[in-house]
Amino acid sequence: TQLLEQSPQFLSIQEGENLTVYCNSSSVFSSLQWYRQEPGEGPVLLVTVVTGGEVKKLKRLTFQFGDARKDSSLHITAAQPGDTGLYLCRHFHNAGNMLTFGGGTRLMVKP
Amino acid sequence: EAQVTQNPRYLITVTGKKLTVTCSQNMNHEYMSWYRQDPGLGLRQIYYSMNVEVTDKGDVPEGYKVSRKEKRNFPLILESPSPNQTSLYFCASTPGPYNEQFFGPGTRLTVL
Repeated sequence: TQLLEQSPQFLSIQEGENLTVYCNSSSVFSSLQWYRQEPGEGPVLLVTVVTGGEVKKLKRLTFQFGDARKDSSLHITAAQPGDTGLYLCRHFHNAGNMLTFGGGTRLMVKP
Repeated sequence: EAQVTQNPRYLITVTGKKLTVTCSQNMNHEYMSWYRQDPGLGLRQIYYSMNVEVTDKGDVPEGYKVSRKEKRNFPLILESPSPNQTSLYFCASTPGPYNEQFFGPGTRLTVL
């Protein structure tokens, strides 16, 4: 199984700060998705990135797909308490048709 | 309303007592999955199904069974639950593996 490594595992910041979380693999992604999971709920899709070098923005969230398609990052500008949650990256492992998630980054934004 | 439903939401049981967690989706999705979520380990795929009567093992299939007799339903069966299967379980469906996955609300299982 292709491993997805996410870092950091935990992040606690103050409201208004900026942050970046990462998703890395030793192999090339065909595509990558980012999800956010809030306590007591299932993950919800934020974005899908497909093309190497691609940058997508979702309000204060900026997603970047590495040129070599082996890594991705999520940058949040001026974090708010509502951004608190578990951020997960996921890719489709087409050799086995499995959908693999990274271990996640647990973000807490304090007011 | 398009959704994935799971039942039960919470279950406490004892070692060895067979149980089934049901999953149903009303979006006509082909691909369905079961995951377990444990602290520090993220979501790990247990089994998946790409269509009716087609099921395959994910990363952690030991101790679990599934079936896909109809497109909308994908039950997870624990024939002889053990304490190491205590976890939070999610069912998910998607039109295809490159598309968005829609998750159920989760089933919190405790095996004593």
